[in-house]
Amino acid sequence: DTAVSQTPKYLVTQMGNDKSIKCEQNLGHDTMYWYKQDSKKFLKIMFSYNNKELIINETVPNRFSPKSPDKAHLNLHINSLELGDSAVYFCASQQGVSQETQYFGPGTRLLVL
Amino acid sequence: AQSVTQLGSHVSVSEGALVLLRCNYSSSVPPYLFWYVQYPNQGLQLLLKYTSAATLVKGINGFEAEFKKSETSFHLTKPSAHMSDAAEYFCAVTPDRGSTLGRLYFGRGTQLTVWP
Repeated sequence: DTAVSQTPKYLVTQMGNDKSIKCEQNLGHDTMYWYKQDSKKFLKIMFSYNNKELIINETVPNRFSPKSPDKAHLNLHINSLELGDSAVYFCASQQGVSQETQYFGPGTRLLVL
Repeated sequence: AQSVTQLGSHVSVSEGALVLLRCNYSSSVPPYLFWYVQYPNQGLQLLLKYTSAATLVKGINGFEAEFKKSETSFHLTKPSAHMSDAAEYFCAVTPDRGSTLGRLYFGRGTQLTVWP
């Protein structure tokens, strides 16, 4: 009964390909996030959805497109993958407002060759 | 603008010794502050958070942190390190007080090593 799950856990692909990462939370939260962790472990927010509505887009290239089919799911589609996209992508969920805890998934390790 | 600075990318202590991980923040509004821990190949787990007037915050696994507004600091401490504390620790700030926005701005992390 994992709270926040991501698939796949590992993703190795060639430059130029398109790939998707999926995230699901079973906590009943209404807000979900995508974060990117680079090779130096620096974490940076990418997107946030609240009740299926995009509320944060932190100057991420438009090759990245999040989609939230419902409150429990937030997927990340990446077009034309580049070497610099190699990173660990974390999904997180939160209930309500900003002081509440964000619960993180286990991460998806993306390697672009 | 908001940012977090973690002094020391690596901290090493002996088992049983005091753990002190430093975090300073800058925020244009009164922030909420968080400490997260990341074990190898895992996601982040909340250790503790500051969101109220209680400046000394106790968290899980014996950790605590003190919010000092005058020093813009939120250092993490544990009186006695355990081998299982070895991990990456992240300090984070959100300026979105009371908002549905919950952007977390992270420091660059501190890798804690515990020697036997």
